[in-house]
Parts: sequence; structure tokens; C-alpha cells
Amino acid sequence: EAQVTQNPRYLITVTGKKLTVTCSQNMNHEYMSWYRQDPGLGLRQIYYSMNVEVTDKGDVPEGYKVSRKEKRNFPLILESPSPNQTSLYFCASSSSSSSYNEQFFGPGTRLTVL
Amino acid sequence: GESVGLHLPTLSVQEGDNSIINCAYSNSASDYFIWYKQESGKGPQFIIDIRSNMDKRQGQRVTVLLNKTVKHLSLQIAATQPGDSAVYFCAENGALGGGFKTIFGAGTRLFVKA
Repeated sequence: EAQVTQNPRYLITVTGKKLTVTCSQNMNHEYMSWYRQDPGLGLRQIYYSMNVEVTDKGDVPEGYKVSRKEKRNFPLILESPSPNQTSLYFCASSSSSSSYNEQFFGPGTRLTVL
Repeated sequence: GESVGLHLPTLSVQEGDNSIINCAYSNSASDYFIWYKQESGKGPQFIIDIRSNMDKRQGQRVTVLLNKTVKHLSLQIAATQPGDSAVYFCAENGALGGGFKTIFGAGTRLFVKA
């Protein structure tokens, strides 16, 4: 089944404890992206990647890192999480880097930083 | 399931009626627009898209209208069903440096009364 998977689905952590949220897609998609979703703000793009070893900042990149060492994986790293990073996070992928493509989303990761 | 927001505009319609959801987009350089549907506990799911060189596109029970003059997008759902109850997001893709960035609207919650 073609899908985007994220792990973990739920995570409660404490301020300053490094964490990684994994994202994987099995559709051989070139483009991958991370979003956070907060009440009343819709989804905001954190980082995106047009292909392996190519990443770029979205609208809210502060406090996050990403890497794209393999085409299928795009982990989101929070080196020192803070309470304002408590949010619902979505990973998405798209078949190519052309802007004329919809994105396929993972099921989401609910992160709480205490 | 995951809560997607407590402060969303809400549209309440009777089953069988038509629904119209509106969206104002922000970037006049955006060249591709997408409507996504998000059900509770899930990631956004593609519904319909439209390129900037079109003003109308129809799918099964859904129609998207684009007015570039006033930067307005609308989603029309014909014969709305209970299964259409969800949060709907418009999104705009803008080509940027070989890839693209995506901006989402804040979302509208559609509630269908049986």
C-alpha cells in the first residue's frame, strides 16, 4: 500500500531532550516536507526537500533540523525541544519537485513538550 | 482522534444541500492550488486541484473556482453527505528555486446535519 508513515504517533517529552520523528514513504517520491499544525493557524511548512541531500527552509524552521540521506526517509530533529514546539506534526511527500503536484500526508505525530 | 483546531470558521449544512467553502490566498505568484480534506485523527487528503491558468475545474461532486483578480478560491460540494464532514484546507504552491513551497489556509470546518 502506497503510504507515508511517521513514528512515533504520540510523544511526550521534556524541555531540552533531543528527539527525532521519523518519516518514510514507499512511493519513490522526490519531494518531502514537514508541517506543523496549530489551532487556528492551519499547516505551516517547516522544511522541505526536493531530493536526496537537498533541503530548504519553510516558513517556520527555527528549532528544527532535517536530513535527506535516502530518498524514502526524511527525519525531523528537535535538538533542544521547547514548549512552543508542542504541536501536531505532519510529514508529506510529492512525486516530483514540480509545483503542479499534490502532497500525500502521513497520519501525524502529536508532540507535547513539558 | 487528533484535534485539528478549536478556532476554525464553521459551515453547517443540511445533508443533500450544496456547500461552498471559500479561501483567500496570499501569493499572486502561486501557480497551483489544491483543496485538502482532513478528517479527525488523519492527515490531509487531496480532493481537487487547479492550475493558475484555469478558472474552474470539476471533479466528482466537487468543483473548484479560482479568481486570480481578487486572489480567491472556492470549493463547491454538491449534494453534501455526512461523510463530507471534515476540515477543509486550501493550499497554494509557488515555484521556488527548483522546487516549491506550500502555504495552507487556516481551514474551514464543515458540519453536515443528517
